[in-house]
Amino acid sequence: GAVVSQHPSWVICKSGTSVKIECRSLDFQATTMFWYRQFPKQSLMLMATSNEGSKATYEQGVEKDKFLINHASLTLSTLTVTSAHPEDSSFYICSAEAGGAFFGQGTRLTVV
Amino acid sequence: AQSVTQPDIHITVSEGASLELRCNYSYGATPYLFWYVQSPGQGLQLLLKYFSGDTLVQGIKGFEAEFKRSQSSFNLRKPSVHWSDAAEYFCAVGSTYNQGGKLIFGQGTELSVKP
Repeated sequence: GAVVSQHPSWVICKSGTSVKIECRSLDFQATTMFWYRQFPKQSLMLMATSNEGSKATYEQGVEKDKFLINHASLTLSTLTVTSAHPEDSSFYICSAEAGGAFFGQGTRLTVV
Repeated sequence: AQSVTQPDIHITVSEGASLELRCNYSYGATPYLFWYVQSPGQGLQLLLKYFSGDTLVQGIKGFEAEFKRSQSSFNLRKPSVHWSDAAEYFCAVGSTYNQGGKLIFGQGTELSVKP
C-alpha cells in the first residue's frame, strides 16, 4: 500500500513556541492530505483538509491561526502549531488519499 | 448526521478464540467503510476496506468484515485471535466523492487477548 511518513514522531516544546510537523507521501502524489488530532484513549477527530496549492479547509471549531497548514508540493503537507500551550498537547496524525486513507505514524506533541 | 458507532469500548478474548467487533454507521450517501488497527503510540494501519461489490471483504492478518446495508453495519471478524492482535481498532466511514480520504471515526474498541 501507499506509504505516508510523518516527522517528528514526538516533540516536546515550551509553552509559547511553535512546532512544525511534516507529512510526506513517499511513493505517490497527494493533492489532498488530512490532519487529525487524537486525545488519549479517544478517537481521531479531523482538524483540517490540506489542499496542494490552495488554502486548507478547517473543521468547525479548529482555529486556523493556531494550526497553520501548508501544502506546498504534491508530497508534503506541514502543520504548524503556533504559540503552543499545554492544552495543545496531543497526538497528531496525518493521512493522504490513495484509493483510501493511508496514515502517517503520528506525532506526539507535549507542551510544557 | 454522519456518524460511526462502535458499541464495545473494550473486549477481552482468549487466544485462539473467535472475535467480532461491531460497527454501525449513519451516512446519507453510499459509504466507503474501513477498519484500522492502532498499537499504542503508533499510527493507523489499514486492515481492510469496502467500496463496492462483494459484501464480505478479506483483509490483512486474517481479518474479514461483512457489509450489511440493511443493518448499517460493518462488523470485523477473525476466526482465531493471536496475542499480537491486542490493540485498538477503529471503524471509519468516508465519502465516495474522495474515495474515503476524509474519514469519520468510531470511538474505537480496545482488544485485550488473554493467554
